[in-house]
Amino acid sequence: SAVISQKPSRDICQRGTSLTIQCQVDSQVTMMFWYRQQPGQSLTLIATANQGSEATYESGFVIDKFPISRPNLTFSTLTVSNLSPEDSSIYLCSVRDNYNQPQHFGDGTRLSIL
Amino acid sequence: DQQVKQNSPSLSVQEGRISILNCDYTNSMFDYFLWYKKYPAEGPTFLISISSIKDKNEDGRFTVFLNKSAKHLSLHIVPSQPGDSAVYFCAASELNGGSQGNLIFGKGTKLSVKP
Repeated sequence: SAVISQKPSRDICQRGTSLTIQCQVDSQVTMMFWYRQQPGQSLTLIATANQGSEATYESGFVIDKFPISRPNLTFSTLTVSNLSPEDSSIYLCSVRDNYNQPQHFGDGTRLSIL
Repeated sequence: DQQVKQNSPSLSVQEGRISILNCDYTNSMFDYFLWYKKYPAEGPTFLISISSIKDKNEDGRFTVFLNKSAKHLSLHIVPSQPGDSAVYFCAASELNGGSQGNLIFGKGTKLSVKP
């Protein structure tokens, strides 16, 4: 399966600032996704990152808060904007080549807000 | 409302015995189910999957059973090893629906295998 590198692995940020998380894959993949895992909760899909066009957001997530870029088939970024304590979570990048194939995940970014 | 439920937050098993992790779902349109294993500070790792056209899939020590009428699936690990200690997530998707096969996850079950 593809090797997925996520940066940073963890960060501590001030309220009101933004953090951009990078996801790099060692091969071209069809689909890239961003998930959030809040403490004690399941993984929740934020959006599907579409190459060369706007991401597709799930209910409850908006582009102003979670802008996403995907300039090519191997790279994507997720920005978490205007940080508040409720944004303290693990953010995970995931990839998949076909609908009937399993998704694979990066190691995640653990974000804490002061 | 949770569509995928793992009702046991934790499970403790003796090494060499069987571990059984359970998962229930509510959406009858789900047709593809997966189990992931997650170690601390790592991302979830795909373990095994099953399509709704089957009721069992086996891969080495891991077997997934699907009971569509009960909307229930389970993961059996035999024999359990200390290295299996991790959080196990159940996930489901609707491959043939309009959700593009997006995964819905349960909250996970923490498995501890004691030597």
